[in-house]
Amino acid sequence: ETGVTQSPTHLIKTRGQQVTLRCSSQSGHNTVSWYQQALGQGPQFIFQYYREEENGRGNFPPRFSGLQFPNYSSELNVNALELDDSALYLCASSWGGRAGTGELFFGEGSRLTVL
Amino acid sequence: RKEVEQDPGPFNVPEGATVAFNCTYSNSASQSFFWYRQDCRKEPKLLMSVYSSGNEDGRFTAQLNRASQYISLLIRDSKLSDSATYLCVVRDSSYKLIFGSGTRLLVRP
Repeated sequence: ETGVTQSPTHLIKTRGQQVTLRCSSQSGHNTVSWYQQALGQGPQFIFQYYREEENGRGNFPPRFSGLQFPNYSSELNVNALELDDSALYLCASSWGGRAGTGELFFGEGSRLTVL
Repeated sequence: RKEVEQDPGPFNVPEGATVAFNCTYSNSASQSFFWYRQDCRKEPKLLMSVYSSGNEDGRFTAQLNRASQYISLLIRDSKLSDSATYLCVVRDSSYKLIFGSGTRLLVRP
């Protein structure tokens, strides 16, 4: 158990809808990263939040946005859902932002299906 | 060209075998390197970091060759419980972790 919890675990949406995914980081961690993992692929970096600010972003369009709260929990929001957004969304908790060791503690993920 | 490339496998080996995976990365400025393990329909978990001098953790040995930009993982005396997908991970100069697509290992009795 990593202590990182994500909700919901599974959800189904239709094209054009919006979704919010939530993550509670491990106690003592101040950094949260979000990854998208399509079937048969490795996780793809979406963005990272450190002390409530975005401090790194991957090649994802602006309709992917996020927040980090004072307790270091985080949300991932995706607007105008597309079929290709169907994937496992993983939240990873760590300490130290860019200065951290690079060891990530992942939650079990939220599996999104877009119809 | 992908930033981190791995042979997807699967590697199908008997218990007790030795198996090796390689991974190549494209960015010579990459800073640090890891192997993560992912069981079917589970989250990735850190297996080991990879250091320039090579490092060992029990049956697992990781090597880094910066000149050739590749990373290897050797598993000795394979166990059934080693069956999983092994993800090669590179931390780039902007501190992002870049994951490969993974190499699938199946260990049979």
